[in-house]
Amino acid sequence: ETGVTQTPRHLVMGMTNKKSLKCEQHLGHNAMYWYKQSAKKPLELMFVYNFKEQTENNSVPSRFSPECPNSSHLFLHLHTLQPEDSALYLCASSQDYTVSNQPQHFGDGTRLSIL
Amino acid sequence: LAKTTQPISMDSYEGQEVNITCSHNNIATNDYITWYQQFPSQGPRFIIQGYKTKVTNEVASLFIPADRKSSTLSLPRVSLSDTAVYYCLRVGSSNTGKLIFGQGTTLQVKP
Repeated sequence: ETGVTQTPRHLVMGMTNKKSLKCEQHLGHNAMYWYKQSAKKPLELMFVYNFKEQTENNSVPSRFSPECPNSSHLFLHLHTLQPEDSALYLCASSQDYTVSNQPQHFGDGTRLSIL
Repeated sequence: LAKTTQPISMDSYEGQEVNITCSHNNIATNDYITWYQQFPSQGPRFIIQGYKTKVTNEVASLFIPADRKSSTLSLPRVSLSDTAVYYCLRVGSSNTGKLIFGQGTTLQVKP
């Protein structure tokens, strides 16, 4: 149990569907992150929120839309995805994005498959 | 770039000590060295972090020499369940909170 919970664990969707990934952390952290892990590729940072404000968008296509309603919850809204978007999407949290030596705690991810 | 260099893969046997070395020649003054472990279909798990000399916790030790251009993760008496990918990262002012993952080291522990 990492304190970071992601739902759903698995998701299969068509290219025209709209779905959302959810992340919730119970660690009292103020920073939350979305990462993408494709097969045989390193983890790639997608978005960062610190105290509910988006601080990083790592050139992510607009078909991925993050939402952070409070410091404990993070969503990733998906719309008109492409087959190459199939990957493991990981959420993480840390105490404060600006305190760089604080470890990040990861959830177990959502395995997304685009048909 | 806050990149590190580590071996792509390593093999070991149960009960042995495993040392994984990571190179970070351009480490910045404020950077820490952080190691994560990842099992298939799970998120990375924080193992240990250090700045210099030696740090030890219940699962591993981390050795960082005085010049800080490299570091070594030491796993004592590994078991089959230690088979995983291990990532070495620089975390600090050079990349402010952004974890930059490389390919990691795939450790295979054999019986």
